[in-house]
Amino acid sequence: NAGVMQNPRHLVRRRGQEARLRCSPMKGHSHVYWYRQLPEEGLKFMVYLQKENIIDESGMPKERFSAEFPKEGPSILRIQQVVRGDSAAYFCASSLGQHKYTDTQYFGPGTRLTVL
Amino acid sequence: QKEVEQNSGPLSVPEGAIASLNCTYSDRVSQSFFWYRQYSGKSPELIMSIYSNGDKEDGRFTAQLNKASQYVSLLIRDSQPSDSATYLCAVNAPNTDKLIFGTGTRLQVFP
Repeated sequence: NAGVMQNPRHLVRRRGQEARLRCSPMKGHSHVYWYRQLPEEGLKFMVYLQKENIIDESGMPKERFSAEFPKEGPSILRIQQVVRGDSAAYFCASSLGQHKYTDTQYFGPGTRLTVL
Repeated sequence: QKEVEQNSGPLSVPEGAIASLNCTYSDRVSQSFFWYRQYSGKSPELIMSIYSNGDKEDGRFTAQLNKASQYVSLLIRDSQPSDSATYLCAVNAPNTDKLIFGTGTRLQVFP
């Protein structure tokens, strides 16, 4: 009964390095969402992807951030040239994609990124 | 005005009592409403989803939705110390699949 899997669970980077966060959706799920949670703040939507397509990236910062969900393999959230303000918990969620606007999203354990 | 508003708490209730968590949202077109529970340092865990006006019950949890008042609530009956967590209200952004989250209400259940 594999749920949403994310790795690594903890990631430490120095300023200017790149961070790659991976997400494998639940079995049978084809839709992936990335959210960011800053300390003591709520979850903020970043991007919504289906296989090989970005559906909605309205929450993604315009620079340094990118996401992909290839035909094979996990979804990847990539942060280039990290800054201290990128330190946060990054959560991936997945859904079946059966019902437009009403699908339930199930969350992975998150990746906690710390930028030194 | 925030899109999804929750009282940050903490809401303190004694063990065995009913905990009532409230959430208001700004966009009348929203169609899906979710309650997630998040323990400190952990990921959000789905508690309930609700789509239609009225009540929906699942065990000790009841979600209530009133679209006219743009209000959704979660009742937890027979509260247990293990229910102590932050409860997140989430609403789908109109005509999209992305969720808008409130900042959460911290619930403390004391023995």
